[in-house]
Amino acid sequence: DTAVSQTPKYLVTQMGNDKSIKCEQNLGHDTMYWYKQDSKKFLKIMFSYNNKELIINETVPNRFSPKSPDKAHLNLHINSLELGDSAVYFCASSQRGGADTQYFGPGTRLTVL
Amino acid sequence: AQTVTQSQPEMSVQEAETVTLSCTYDTSESDYYLFWYKQPPSRQMILVIRQEAYKQQNATENRFSVNFQKAAKSFSLKISDSQLGDAAMYFCAYRGNTGNQFYFGTGTSLTVIP
Repeated sequence: DTAVSQTPKYLVTQMGNDKSIKCEQNLGHDTMYWYKQDSKKFLKIMFSYNNKELIINETVPNRFSPKSPDKAHLNLHINSLELGDSAVYFCASSQRGGADTQYFGPGTRLTVL
Repeated sequence: AQTVTQSQPEMSVQEAETVTLSCTYDTSESDYYLFWYKQPPSRQMILVIRQEAYKQQNATENRFSVNFQKAAKSFSLKISDSQLGDAAMYFCAYRGNTGNQFYFGTGTSLTVIP
């Protein structure tokens, strides 16, 4: 009965490849997020979707493309992977409106060789 | 833009003792929300405690409590009776009353010494 799940947990790939990370939440939340946590543990928001609509798009290379087929899913697709993309990527969700706490997934550690 | 500062990259505490982690933030908003998240080695981000800025009373959750000083823009986390399982990275986070964006601090790594 995991609230926010991500697959895969670990992803090792070569530079130049295209990869996707999937995220699903079963909390009935309206808003979902993608964060990137770098090697220094700094957590920075990348995207936010509300009811399948993009509402936050920070300065992220356009090689990163989020896709939300429905409000319970927010997948992250990355084209032409680069060494600097190596990080832990976290998906999160919250109920829009009010003091909505964010609930995080377990993270996906991406390593680009 | 809002910023969240955690000035202690690392802290340690003896088991059963009390430790306080500091957090300051910068904002021009009068209504907002503050959070402490814990990230153990498993990497999962776990909500520890939440504070609404309009509430004067400090939030408490079992052994975890905060000291919220709105005028000073300070939001420290006190962990009482520290346990080995408390060892983790702790992140302070800010969320404004409008918009969905959270701003995170750089984290404090807490070590609990048996």
